[in-house]
Amino acid sequence: NAGVTQTPKFQVLKTGQSMTLQCAQDMNHEYMSWYRQDPGMGLRLIHYSVGAGITDQGEVPNGYNVSRSTTEDFPLRLLSAAPSQTSVYFCASSYSQDNSPLHFGNGTRLTVT
Amino acid sequence: AQTVTQSQPEMSVQEAETVTLSCTYDTSESDYYLFWYKQPPSRQMILVIRQEAYKQQNATENRFSVNFQKAAKSFSLKISDSQLGDAAMYFCAYRSGRAGNNRKLIWGLGTSLAVNP
Repeated sequence: NAGVTQTPKFQVLKTGQSMTLQCAQDMNHEYMSWYRQDPGMGLRLIHYSVGAGITDQGEVPNGYNVSRSTTEDFPLRLLSAAPSQTSVYFCASSYSQDNSPLHFGNGTRLTVT
Repeated sequence: AQTVTQSQPEMSVQEAETVTLSCTYDTSESDYYLFWYKQPPSRQMILVIRQEAYKQQNATENRFSVNFQKAAKSFSLKISDSQLGDAAMYFCAYRSGRAGNNRKLIWGLGTSLAVNP
């Protein structure tokens, strides 16, 4: 059982480049989300989805796009990378029940130079 | 807005001893969920324990237990018989139980726990 799979684990981009962080889960979770983790700021929600075809913004959505064409996949796109997007990114998923905990991927460390 | 505070940036414990990590939160809601997550050097976020606010009984998972004080808005984590593998960053998190919420977790800034052999 793979759980939540994120790729890549590490990425270095130049300012202005675009890329997609991949996230897939095999637990049939309705809810999926993207967080970024920065020192001194904790984890902050970027975007989330409550089901295929439904996405919404979190607290720090600017500079990122998402889509949810299938239940399993929830890619995060950086359209034009900026140094401020240097961070560790986590994909997380859960069932829709309120007490269901989030299951996290292993994270992607992104550096934008 | 809800907030979560972890007042101990760093803690240490001797192997086999007990340590308590503190977490307080601020909310006006009565229905919510609280979680402790562990983040070892491998970076993965691992659920340690969770507590539903409507349950008076403190949650327990093997060597991990919580002291949930709803009136005081306190949610501390006790680790008994500490092991070297418990060394990690520990995060306390809050999620609203309000219908229609985006299921966002509100995170504390973490406590770095060192376990000394």
